[in-house]
Amino acid sequence: GAGVSQSPSNKVTEKGKDVELRCDPISGHTALYWYRQSLGQGLEFLIYFQGNSAPDKSGLPSDRFSAERTGGSVSTLTIQRTQQEDSAVYLCASSLGQGKLLTEAFFGQGTRLTVV
Amino acid sequence: GDSVTQMEGPVTLSEEAFLTINCTYTATGYPSLFWYVQYPGEGLQLLLKATKADDKGSNKGFEATYRKETTSFHLEKGSVQVSDSAVYFCALSGGSGGSYIPTFGRGTSLIVHP
Repeated sequence: GAGVSQSPSNKVTEKGKDVELRCDPISGHTALYWYRQSLGQGLEFLIYFQGNSAPDKSGLPSDRFSAERTGGSVSTLTIQRTQQEDSAVYLCASSLGQGKLLTEAFFGQGTRLTVV
Repeated sequence: GDSVTQMEGPVTLSEEAFLTINCTYTATGYPSLFWYVQYPGEGLQLLLKATKADDKGSNKGFEATYRKETTSFHLEKGSVQVSDSAVYFCALSGGSGGSYIPTFGRGTSLIVHP
C-alpha cells in the first residue's frame, strides 16, 4: 500500500483478555518498529524487526508482550492477559532498512488500546 | 545509550509569532537527526531531517540546524499559523553502537491561537 497500515484503529478489551494488533508496512521496507505512546509520555520503543528476525526486543515491557513478522511484511503484536496499564496508542513504523541514509521512519496511524 | 531531550510543553503562541522548540541529544558518533510532527488525530510524519553536522533541514517554513558542538537540533519557524498546532517530536538514529532504531524525545505540544 501507499503507507503503513495498522488495524484495528481502536480496540477496547476487558482486563485479562488477549489482543492482537496488526501492522502492514510499506512494500519493500525491510525494517519495522513497534512503539507505544502513552498519555503525556514520549514514544517508548518496544521491538525492531529486520526482515523476519527481531534483533532487538529490549523494549518489550513484560513476557505478556510478543511480536512476530512473517514474509518480511506483516507484523503482529500480541498482548496476553491485558492489564489496565497496557492502555496506550501502539504505533508501527517502517523504513527502507538500516544504514545512515535509510533510516527515515514512516508511521502508521496507530491502534488505540483501551483496557477496561 | 542514546537519548533526546526536548523542551516541555505546551508552547502557546499567537499567530505569526516566532517559534523555537529546543532539542538536545546524547549519542556517540554521528547520528542523523529528525523532527516529526503529529497533527491531532493523525500519525507521526517526518517534518525535516539532517544527516551530518552543520546541515540545515527545512520544510513548510520550519528549519533546524545540526549543531554537533552543542549537540542540538532546535526547531524554528519565523511565523506560525493556527494550522501548525500539533505535537513535535525530535529524534535521532545511527548513534551509539551503530543502532539505527529511532530514539524519540517526549514531544512538545504547540498551540497557536488566532
